[in-house]
Amino acid sequence: QSVLTQPPSVSGAPGQRVTISCTGSSSNIGAGYDVHWYQQLPGTAPKLLIYGNSNRPSGVPDRFSGSKSGTSASLAITGLQAEDEADYYCQSYDSSLSEVFGGGTKLTVL
Amino acid sequence: QVQLQESGPGLVKPSETLSLTCTVSGGSVSSGSYYWSWIRQPPGKGLEWIGYIYYSGSTNYNPSLKSRVTISVDTSKNQFSLKLSSVTAADTAVYYCARDRRVGFLDYWGQGTLVTVSS
Repeated sequence: QSVLTQPPSVSGAPGQRVTISCTGSSSNIGAGYDVHWYQQLPGTAPKLLIYGNSNRPSGVPDRFSGSKSGTSASLAITGLQAEDEADYYCQSYDSSLSEVFGGGTKLTVL
Repeated sequence: QVQLQESGPGLVKPSETLSLTCTVSGGSVSSGSYYWSWIRQPPGKGLEWIGYIYYSGSTNYNPSLKSRVTISVDTSKNQFSLKLSSVTAADTAVYYCARDRRVGFLDYWGQGTLVTVSS
């Protein structure tokens, strides 16, 4: 059971918009700690996608965006493409003195 | 461009100690701007943060693994290492090393190395 809760799977057709939620608690996201997102393509290492709730590293398309409110955060992907099919993970800090990850969400492009 | 590369045995016997090293190129583990982290991923499962080390040697570990984990740094070799003691089959995973920007996010990752615990 992960400290941060994500839906196991989401799907969408090419060109559509999908969102992935990340729900925490008052000891992590709700305590004001930043949320970060990673994309893991099959068979590869995770790649930083969003940092500090809503910032994109250089090279990440602006189709990817992040937001945070209260004890939750969301990753939105617009203009869905086949290459976006991957696992997505949120990450934050918990007052148990530990970095924590969500359980991951598998995105399927229909 | 910063690159990280994990190395170590791919097979460890139950009750023994898992040992991995991460070699950093294109950057320095002596930089005060970063932590150096270990993360693992059991086959078909999600990511689990193991811990990190600062160039000074200060560490922070996942409370659930703290009693079995030691992370060390060798600035002369630009490497940092992981030791996990008393391993069981539940410790079978791909182990990643990564750079932490000290504000929580991991911006560079190694390719990962699979460690299997089996007799």
